[in-house]
Amino acid sequence: EIVLTQSPATLSLSPGERATLSCRASESVSSHLQWYQQKPGQAPRLLIYDASKRATGIPARFSGSGSGTDFTLTISSLEPEDFAVYYCQQRSNWPTFGQGTKLEIK
Amino acid sequence: QVHLVQSGAEVKKPGASVKVSCKASEYSRTELSVHWVRQAPGKGLEWMGLFDPEDGETIYAQKFQGRVTMTEDTSTNTAYMELSSLRSEDTAVYYCSKDGVDSGGYFVQSWGQGTLVTVSS
Repeated sequence: EIVLTQSPATLSLSPGERATLSCRASESVSSHLQWYQQKPGQAPRLLIYDASKRATGIPARFSGSGSGTDFTLTISSLEPEDFAVYYCQQRSNWPTFGQGTKLEIK
Repeated sequence: QVHLVQSGAEVKKPGASVKVSCKASEYSRTELSVHWVRQAPGKGLEWMGLFDPEDGETIYAQKFQGRVTMTEDTSTNTAYMELSSLRSEDTAVYYCSKDGVDSGGYFVQSWGQGTLVTVSS
């Protein structure tokens, strides 16, 4: 099983700041990585697929990068609605999720 | 984008089975796969498995093999996930999601609203 490790566990930032979230895989997943946003009481929402492609309707302030074992989700300028939990998921092999990064308001 | 509606909350006793449904608002010829994901209270997301409607193939996470069955009824556009031999640790919200391709050829994904399954004696 491919293990995904997300860091940091919690990120405290203010609106307007830049957020950088990391996801590291225990072995290469090529570009088969997705990022999700989840707010309390809601289903996850797909943000990024294939490591760097924005899903339909996702604002341009969200971007993904990386390949192999190291991936990054960047939110260029935080909006109030961006504070949530973010998960990465690999689909190279049997899919697995990272443990999540909570993005909270500072 | 397809709209998914899941069945309602369930309360089950240990050892019982539960079957959760996930009905799509429309038939999609470009449906790629149906995934099931669960989330225990206050915990992260856990992938359970997928159903490939093109060939009926299922792939289950090793943790659930032997206890889970994923199917789809194409006549009603409804996917099902059945989990047997329930234990308290199976208490979670269960989500279905569908991968697909839109008219522009872009990957799309829809999620159900989630079904809370509580296992308690």
